[in-house]
Amino acid sequence: DTGVSQNPRHKITKRGQNVTFRCDPISEHNRLYWYRQTLGQGPEFLTYFQNEAQLEKSRLLSDRFSAERPKGSFSTLEIQRTEQGDSAMYLCASSPVRTALSTGELFFGEGSRLTVL
Amino acid sequence: RKEVEQDPGPFNVPEGATVAFNCTYSNSASQSFFWYRQDCRKEPKLLMSVYSSGNEDGRFTAQLNRASQYISLLIRDSKLSDSATYLCVVEHYNQGGKLIFGQGTELSVKP
Repeated sequence: DTGVSQNPRHKITKRGQNVTFRCDPISEHNRLYWYRQTLGQGPEFLTYFQNEAQLEKSRLLSDRFSAERPKGSFSTLEIQRTEQGDSAMYLCASSPVRTALSTGELFFGEGSRLTVL
Repeated sequence: RKEVEQDPGPFNVPEGATVAFNCTYSNSASQSFFWYRQDCRKEPKLLMSVYSSGNEDGRFTAQLNRASQYISLLIRDSKLSDSATYLCVVEHYNQGGKLIFGQGTELSVKP
C-alpha cells in the first residue's frame, strides 16, 4: 500500500504525558500537512511542510505542539503535557507541490486517534 | 467568524431527492476551491474541484461565485451511498497552498 500511513492508530494517555505521532507520506509528495479533527467538525489546520521546511504553524496551536520533518520524508507530531482538550483525531495528509497543473488534492492517512484521560 | 462556513446539518433526504449544500468563505485571497467527502470514521477524500465556470461530474454539480464568496454543491438523484459528510475547502495560493476546511454538512439518504 503506497498511501499515507499514520502510527499509532490509537493512543490513550493520561493527562500530562507526552505523545508522538508519526506520518509517512506518499513517497513522491513534497508537501505534508497535519490537521486535527473533533467530532462534528471539519479538519482544523495545524501545520504543514514543504520538504523539510515548516511553512506555517497555526496561530491557534499552543507551544506544547511541535512537528518535524527532518529529512523531508516522514514527519512526527509531538504533544507535550497533554490535556483533555487535546483528545481528537490527528490527520496527516500529503500532496505534490502545487502547480498550475496539479489538482491541489490532499491525500489523507486514516488518522491517529488520541484520548487523554 | 470561521473562515469557511457551511450549512449546518444534518440533511435527511429520501432516495432520488436533489439536495444542495452551501458554503461561504471570508478570505477574498482564496484561489482554489474543493468539495471533499468524509465517510463515517474515515479520512476525507476529494470529491471534486470547483471551477469559476461551474463544473459537473455525473450527478454532482459545483458552482462558485467569487463576487459573493459562495460555493455550492448540488447532488441529483441521491443514492444511499451518498450518505456522508461533505466538506467545503478553500486554498490560499498566497499562503503557500494551505487548505482550510469548513465544518462539514452531514447528509443522510434514506430508502
